[in-house]
Amino acid sequence: QSALTQPASVSGSPGQSITISCTGTSSDVGSFNLVSWYQQHPGKAPKLLIYEVTKRPSGVSARFSASKYGNTASLTISGLQAEDEADYHCCSYGGSRRWWVFGGGTKLTVL
Amino acid sequence: QVQLAQSGADVKRPGASVTVSCKASGYKFTAYYIHWIRQAPGRGLEWMGWINPNSGGTTYAERFQGRVTVRTDTSTNTAYLDLSSVTSDDTAVYYCAKTDPLGSWADDWGQGTRVTVSS
Repeated sequence: QSALTQPASVSGSPGQSITISCTGTSSDVGSFNLVSWYQQHPGKAPKLLIYEVTKRPSGVSARFSASKYGNTASLTISGLQAEDEADYHCCSYGGSRRWWVFGGGTKLTVL
Repeated sequence: QVQLAQSGADVKRPGASVTVSCKASGYKFTAYYIHWIRQAPGRGLEWMGWINPNSGGTTYAERFQGRVTVRTDTSTNTAYLDLSSVTSDDTAVYYCAKTDPLGSWADDWGQGTRVTVSS
């Protein structure tokens, strides 16, 4: 069982928007603005999408945005495209003993 | 550009030890943490530990304490993950990742190394 809770799957049609939630506790997501999100295509390594809750690395599309409220972080993908079909993982700093805690991953299907 | 080149796939018997290497290039190796993360088949990501290549300092996830060692060779810009007493539960793809200067997120990943534990 993963430390952070994500829905196992979400789906949407091209052009639509979807949101993936990531629920932790007051010991991780709720305490630190160090939530990151990763995109992983089948058979590939994860790729950084979001860091420090809302920031996008250079080269990541502005269609990807994120936020946090309390113990829950969220990733929103707008204007869904076929290439967005992938697994999405959230991660939070969990303090000096746990360091990084991950969610179980969410499979996005573009219909 | 940053590259993290990991060693090839490996098969181990239960009880054996396994070592995965991660050779870094394209950046100053000692300036950024290296983390190790694994992914069991069909599962999510699991953090295992990190090393500060500059100081040699390490931190490990509690569940791997005593079984895992992360080390570096700064002369070759290579990080290593050693995992001992492996069982079938250790069958996974193992990733190394370079982080931001404070070790808070992984901005570059290796390609992954598949380790299979089977009798």
